[in-house]
Amino acid sequence: NAGVTQTPKFQVLKTGQSMTLQCAQDMNHEYMSWYRQDPGMGLRLIHYSVGAGITDQGEVPNGYNVSRSTTEDFPLRLLSAAPSQTSVYFCASSRPGALSEAFFGQGTRLTVV
Amino acid sequence: AQSVTQLDSQVPVFEEAPVELRCNYSSSVSVYLFWYVQYPNQGLQLLLKYLSGSTLVKSINGFEAEFNKSQTSFHLRKPSVHISDTAEYFCAVINGGSQGNLIFGKGTKLSVKP
Repeated sequence: NAGVTQTPKFQVLKTGQSMTLQCAQDMNHEYMSWYRQDPGMGLRLIHYSVGAGITDQGEVPNGYNVSRSTTEDFPLRLLSAAPSQTSVYFCASSRPGALSEAFFGQGTRLTVV
Repeated sequence: AQSVTQLDSQVPVFEEAPVELRCNYSSSVSVYLFWYVQYPNQGLQLLLKYLSGSTLVKSINGFEAEFNKSQTSFHLRKPSVHISDTAEYFCAVINGGSQGNLIFGKGTKLSVKP
């Protein structure tokens, strides 16, 4: 059981480049989310999805797009990378509702130069 | 908006000493509270949670946390820490009735020294 899988683990981008961070889960969880982790800031919610075809913004959505075409996958797109997007990104999944445990991927460390 | 405050960014302790990591949340009608742990270069793992019922909740590796509604706190404690407990600990809250979005504190780095 792989759980939540994120790829790539590390990435260096130049300012203005685009890329997609991949996230896949094999637990048939309806709820998926993306967080960014910055030193001293904890984790902040970027976007989330409560099911296929449904996405919504979190606390820090600017500069990021998401889509949810299947239950399993929830990619995060950076259309034009900026140095401020240098961070560690975590994808999480859970069953819907407040009582379910969230399972996290191992993270993607992104550096924008 | 709901918020979580972790008062200590770093807590250094010696092995076998007790430790308390503090967490306070902004008041709401109903909340669910969580502690997550992040070991170096890894993702987050659920350590323990309070949903309802007994206000004292325990993890399998000796940590415990007590939900205190009057003080809006959910402090994490362990009576005797090990080197392997070195990690960053995050307190998080979900509003009752929400879709399940976790709101995290800024984290506390626990460093256990021999």
